[in-house]
This record gives sequence, structure tokens and C-alpha cells, in this order.
Amino acid sequence: KAGVTQTPRYLIKTRGQQVTLSCSPISGHRSVSWYQQTPGQGLQFLFEYFSETQRNKGNFPGRFSGRQFSNSRSEMNVSTLELGDSALYLCASSSDLPGQGYEQYFGPGTRLTVT
Amino acid sequence: AQSVTQLDSQVPVFEEAPVELRCNYSSSVSVYLFWYVQYPNQGLQLLLKYLSGSTLVESINGFEAEFNKSQTSFHLRKPSVHISDTAEYFCAVRILNQAGTALIFGKGTTLSVSS
Repeated sequence: KAGVTQTPRYLIKTRGQQVTLSCSPISGHRSVSWYQQTPGQGLQFLFEYFSETQRNKGNFPGRFSGRQFSNSRSEMNVSTLELGDSALYLCASSSDLPGQGYEQYFGPGTRLTVT
Repeated sequence: AQSVTQLDSQVPVFEEAPVELRCNYSSSVSVYLFWYVQYPNQGLQLLLKYLSGSTLVESINGFEAEFNKSQTSFHLRKPSVHISDTAEYFCAVRILNQAGTALIFGKGTTLSVSS
């Protein structure tokens, strides 16, 4: 099976712009979660989508949003970018099957730099 | 609120020496426990997990971790490390009976193995 893929791998944006990141989960996985990784804050949960519905949300401002499509692919959007949004954004997919502990498989990430 | 503490931010060791990376969690409810490893410029890879049953879990590359409920710990150990084990290691928990698959991560421990 192919792993979790994320596009693009690298992005450079300017403050005030918006950005959309894409994630394709492992085939058959219905849950997609997004995390932000920074040197100062570490790994922080953004949100999770399951069957096109947001199931869980972390403590991030409304500028961060996401969606999931019927094929389980997911996108996250950040509007009005700030310098502090520079981070590695990781996507993880899960089968959400009982007994698997909701094990998550991570993509390689998208490195966003805001200048 | 639940939290995960990795007690050492950096652990330098020599090749073939034993190592222990410490992880404590704070939760009043049952959790699943995970260790992930991240190599430079890559996403996270699952190293091992504790869901239930035997408190000692092992990975295929020689790492093991022991769940200690009374001490709320899940320390990662390896009896003899290799240069290739140099990476960042993250401990994570998932709260049982909570909707969704969100993981709470520790800040990470950088393991540096030198010859």
C-alpha cells in the first residue's frame, strides 16, 4: 500500500496570504488528522476529519480550517498568514478500526515558510 | 488536561551503549501509548505501541518500552544503540473513549549516537 502523501513538500508565502495544503491518506483509511510541528511548541493537533466531517479540533484560531472529500483526501487552509505559522504541517491517516488503537500513519509533511 | 512529558530534550550516547528515553504522562483516564521516531526531513514513523495486555512491548529494531500504570510512565529503551538510531523520538498518548484519534505528543527527545 502506498503511504500518506502530502503536497506540496515545501512552500514559501508572504504574510497576509493564504495557503492550501493537501493530504492523501492510505487507501481505505477514513480518518485524517493534521498536526503543526514547530521547534518551540512541538507537535500540536490541529483537527481531524472522518467521513467528511470534522470530528475533533485542537486549540488553533479560526484562520486554520480544513475539509475532507468523499475519497478521504483532505486539505487544510490557513488564511491571513502570520510569521508564526511557519512550521512543518503533518498529516496522519488512520483506519479507525476497533482493536488497532487508532494507530496513525504520518506523511512526510509540508514545510511552510512565511516571510 | 492530559499532557506528556519527555524528561530529556537531548540524549547523547556512544555507539553500542544502552539508552533510555523517559516519558511520563498525566491522565486520569485510560490511554493508549505510542513512541514515534522522526528522522531529519521526514514525517513520523511508529516505533511501538501499548494498547493492552503485556506491559512490555517491543519493536522490530531492538527498542522496547514498558508501561507502568502506577508511575504513569512509558520509557523507551534499547540495550545497544547504532549510529543509525540518531533521530528525534516522540512519546504520545491517545485518550480512550474520546471521540476521534487525536494524539497528544511530548516535546521530543533528540538521540545522538556517536562512534
